[in-house]
Amino acid sequence: SSELTQDPTVSVALGQTVRITCQGDSLRSYYANWYQQKPRQAPLLVIYGHNNRPSGIPDRFSGSNSGNTASLTISGAQAEDEADYYCNSRDTSANHLGWVFGGGTKLTVL
Amino acid sequence: EVQLVDSGGGVVKPGGSLRLSCAASGFSFADYAMHWVRQGPGKGLEWVAGISWNSGGVKYEDSVRGRFTISRDDAKNSLSLQMSSLRAEDTALYYCVRGTSDALDVWGQGTMVIVSP
Repeated sequence: SSELTQDPTVSVALGQTVRITCQGDSLRSYYANWYQQKPRQAPLLVIYGHNNRPSGIPDRFSGSNSGNTASLTISGAQAEDEADYYCNSRDTSANHLGWVFGGGTKLTVL
Repeated sequence: EVQLVDSGGGVVKPGGSLRLSCAASGFSFADYAMHWVRQGPGKGLEWVAGISWNSGGVKYEDSVRGRFTISRDDAKNSLSLQMSSLRAEDTALYYCVRGTSDALDVWGQGTMVIVSP
């Protein structure tokens, strides 16, 4: 199956901009989606497709894709953005039903 | 309100079986692919299985293929995961998830499966 690679930890000062990256061959064919997970909560979709935000997601969250790398950018990070972030995409080795996740990035807001 | 409610988790011995269920509400269940995603203790997310909107296609992660069976009942707006030959490494929080062409957009609250002697 496909693999997606994320940095395990990233930190950002309050109010600053942070970029979380995700790398994998499947990203050459499919957009990455991004999920936020806070402790003891289910994941929440924050970015999907070509930089789309579900209803209710603040516009400080944005996404981009280039080659085999996808990025989630948080512009003006807030304390409530501290969470684990996971990228995912379609699994290129499967039919349209298969998905793959990155290992997750723990974001600390200082 | 769009909602998925997972249930059926519990403690089971290695080699045992368990059936997870997911009750959907607030959307046209039959129109969507559905998936199970799991998260081991302190670990990341792992896609487990998916079923297409018309049950015409199913797909499994390699480690569960042949042991798990995903199914749906559109008349009851429900999704199931029959798990057999359970192993310690199957211990995880299992999420029922709605799938679109773009993403996995709605998640249940999860149901915990513990495989232990």
